[in-house]
Amino acid sequence: DAKTTQPNSMESNEEEPVHLPCNHSTISGTDYIHWYRQLPSQGPEYVIHGLTSNVNNRMASLAIAEDRKSSTLILHRATLRDAAVYYCILRDRQGAQKLVFGQGTRLTINP
Amino acid sequence: DTEVTQTPKHLVMGMTNKKSLKCEQHMGHRAMYWYKQKAKKPPELMFVYSYEKLSINESVPSRFSPECPNSSLLNLHLHALQPEDSALYLCASSRTQGIGYGYTFGSGTRLTVV
Repeated sequence: DAKTTQPNSMESNEEEPVHLPCNHSTISGTDYIHWYRQLPSQGPEYVIHGLTSNVNNRMASLAIAEDRKSSTLILHRATLRDAAVYYCILRDRQGAQKLVFGQGTRLTINP
Repeated sequence: DTEVTQTPKHLVMGMTNKKSLKCEQHMGHRAMYWYKQKAKKPPELMFVYSYEKLSINESVPSRFSPECPNSSLLNLHLHALQPEDSALYLCASSRTQGIGYGYTFGSGTRLTVV
């Protein structure tokens, strides 16, 4: 499986935008980019996914580089509730299509 | 109903005990999953069920035995566990195993083996 690289931790302030980066330089043409987050004492939560084009939903936006070797999850206006571990995951649409978690980024939001 | 319900929330068991974890969803999802998560680590995939059949076993020791009695229910039977098996066990479901669908996770069962 292709790997992702994320910063171990990031910090931001409440009501400001947050840009969470993810590098995936070995991404293949059949890999989709998925983001999940895990709030304290909860199971992971699906955030967003995409293939080539930027994607928006009610939780976040996903910006994908033109060469697909990196992507950025954008939280437009962070709240204290967005403090969580954010996982960037590549899922191959061929084969077993497993959801395999990496180390993720621990996001801290300051009031 | 948009939830995955796991019971019990906490479980303490001895190394000679037999216990079961239960997971239930009523979203009509046909793929269900077991993950194990140690403290400060990411979840690790254990088993995948697709249409009630075991699809993936990630080389999990036989002291963990999954069962999918119907499309809404997933069990994990535990027997002769070791203290290092203490962890948060997470269940998840998705519409199918395909990558177009997000997973819905339960809040997990925190297992302590003494």
